[in-house]
Amino acid sequence: EIVLTQSPGTLSLSPGERATLSCRASQSVSSSYLVWYQQKPGQAPRLLIYGASNRATGIPDRFSGSGSGTDFTLTISGLEPEDFAMYYCQQYGSSPRYTFGQGTKLEIK
Amino acid sequence: DVQLVESGGGLVQPGGSLRLSCAASGFTFSDYAINWVRQAPGKGLEWISFISGVKFHTYYADSVKGRFAVSRDNAKNLVHLQMDSLRAEDTAIYYCARDVSDRVGDTYFGIRFDPWGQGTLVTVSS
Repeated sequence: EIVLTQSPGTLSLSPGERATLSCRASQSVSSSYLVWYQQKPGQAPRLLIYGASNRATGIPDRFSGSGSGTDFTLTISGLEPEDFAMYYCQQYGSSPRYTFGQGTKLEIK
Repeated sequence: DVQLVESGGGLVQPGGSLRLSCAASGFTFSDYAINWVRQAPGKGLEWISFISGVKFHTYYADSVKGRFAVSRDNAKNLVHLQMDSLRAEDTAIYYCARDVSDRVGDTYFGIRFDPWGQGTLVTVSS
């Protein structure tokens, strides 16, 4: 089973700053199968990035994804107030079929 | 608009059963697999089940295997999650999510969940 470890657990930043969120896999993951979601309190998760670096429809270009192998990064350049939320990475594998990281909370400093 | 709407959540006693439904609209339902993902109170996301669009292939997380069963009715655009032998640790919000990918020949790329339903709360307690 591939385990995804996200860091940091909590990231405290101010609006306008740059956020860098990490997702590390216990084994190599195909970039095609690495996904990022955003979840706000009381809401369902929303697709942000798929295939490690492809923005989903309607996602602002301040969100970007990168990485390969075991290390992946979600970067948010110029934080807006609405960006403060939980972020999860996810990978598609064999067994179990999908796994999620434990999440990073991005909070206002 | 592509939409998924869950229903059927509620309070159930340990050992009891519950059936959740996921109603889809706005897309060709049989073209897509559907997943169930749950989130315990204050916790992260846990994938629990997958059902493919036409051949109804199913997969489960170990935590629910043998207790939960997923099915679908493509004529009614519905997916059901039958949950038996429920435990306190099954308490969570249950989301259904469409499984989307880009296909080149027999290879699938960019697998992702989009969209998600709003979720339905299941509470297992005496």
